[in-house]
Amino acid sequence: GESVGLHLPTLSVQEGDNSIINCAYSNSASDYFIWYKQESGKGPQFIIDIRSNMDKRQGQRVTVLLNKTVKHLSLQIAATQPGDSAVYFCAENRQNAGNMLTFGGGTRLMVKP
Amino acid sequence: ETGVTQSPTHLIKTRGQQVTLRCSSQSGHNTVSWYQQALGQGPQFIFQYYREEENGRGNFPPRFSGLQFPNYSSELNVNALELDDSALYLCASSLPGARYGYTFGSGTRLTVV
Repeated sequence: GESVGLHLPTLSVQEGDNSIINCAYSNSASDYFIWYKQESGKGPQFIIDIRSNMDKRQGQRVTVLLNKTVKHLSLQIAATQPGDSAVYFCAENRQNAGNMLTFGGGTRLMVKP
Repeated sequence: ETGVTQSPTHLIKTRGQQVTLRCSSQSGHNTVSWYQQALGQGPQFIFQYYREEENGRGNFPPRFSGLQFPNYSSELNVNALELDDSALYLCASSLPGARYGYTFGSGTRLTVV
């Protein structure tokens, strides 16, 4: 079936190291992807997005990479900080799906001081 | 500029009862979407409202219904509550089209006993 999933449920990194969170999607019609950060007791917070006509996009300390050949998406966080500890979701939107986002199951990022 | 606000923050209901959850969208956003997030999972799309009409629906039964008001605020109603309806219910507002960005509220935690 069509799905957006994540490879690892939990990722533990040392403060200051770089973090890489991965996501696989199965629908080749997916053309817009978003990474969200969700802290305990809060709703998902937009981090960065990428359209399918791009393979890389950079923000402040974050980079999203898109490999359409293998239907893989990754979020890289540079110099991970304790405030980055949260659950990270990738989400997919398709051109004909209106506002509907399909979320993966999430990866919990734990930053060790 | 205010964000998305949801009420109540927590709610406990008995199986078989009905519940109404409320959402005020971010200023200028005329599209509201509702998501259900079970514990440890990613959000799942319930439906979206635009111009006071349902404009897209996920795989949820008819006992999940909604309303959108002229001021773009919205309600989610769930009838005949089941234990599996226990979840965090998230409201997200946007301009038409998810590619313009969603803003999520912090959600309503519903517990059905």
